[in-house]
Amino acid sequence: QSALTQPRSVSGSPGQSVTISCTGTSSDVGNYNSVSWYQQLPGKAPKLMIYDVDQRPSGVPDRFSGSKTGNTASLTISGLQAEDEADYFCCSFAGTYTYVFGLGTKVTVL
Amino acid sequence: EVRLVESGGGAVRPGGSLTLSCEASGFMFDDYDMSWVRQAPGKGLEWVSAINWNGASIAYADSVKGRFTISRDNARNSLYLQLSSLRAEDTALYYCTRGAYYDILRAVYYYYMDVWGQGTTVTVSS
Repeated sequence: QSALTQPRSVSGSPGQSVTISCTGTSSDVGNYNSVSWYQQLPGKAPKLMIYDVDQRPSGVPDRFSGSKTGNTASLTISGLQAEDEADYFCCSFAGTYTYVFGLGTKVTVL
Repeated sequence: EVRLVESGGGAVRPGGSLTLSCEASGFMFDDYDMSWVRQAPGKGLEWVSAINWNGASIAYADSVKGRFTISRDNARNSLYLQLSSLRAEDTALYYCTRGAYYDILRAVYYYYMDVWGQGTTVTVSS
């Protein structure tokens, strides 16, 4: 149950695109299409942004998109906005009711 | 409104015990698996434990296995987490989350946490 690997931080100017990677193993990210992404604003509970690798829940802006290749999933924020500044965590189902989270990435809007 | 409200957190000595509760409302509680996720101060999210819709299947993170016990009472729309043999590293904000869901019509299991409570704080210190 090792944490998924994410970059500690990424940054971009308003309107630019940023991509956050999330690397796991063949036992989690690589074995299931059940990768989800969560946004956490300061002092708030996490919010689901992407599920099943690339699906957006109702109400999540379409500038958020997800993908996966092999053992690495990615979250891309296109047209970066000031309100996107937050911590982002990936999560993968890892079989038999278990999950593993990434360590988190801080997105800074310059 | 779909809602999860945690309670039961507090300060406890190392080696002590505590029971967290989570009351669900606004959805069919027994349609969903549930999970506990924790976040140590200034740190990331850590999945702690999950329980399936009827309590028959349970899983724990290695870091809490043998010390924590998850349970649910579908009649009371409530989820619980018994914490024992607590350590300083268990200090965290504990979130109750709505977890996996089986879509009968599509015969698909969805594994994600789409509803989160506001959390209850556990502090382990001498």
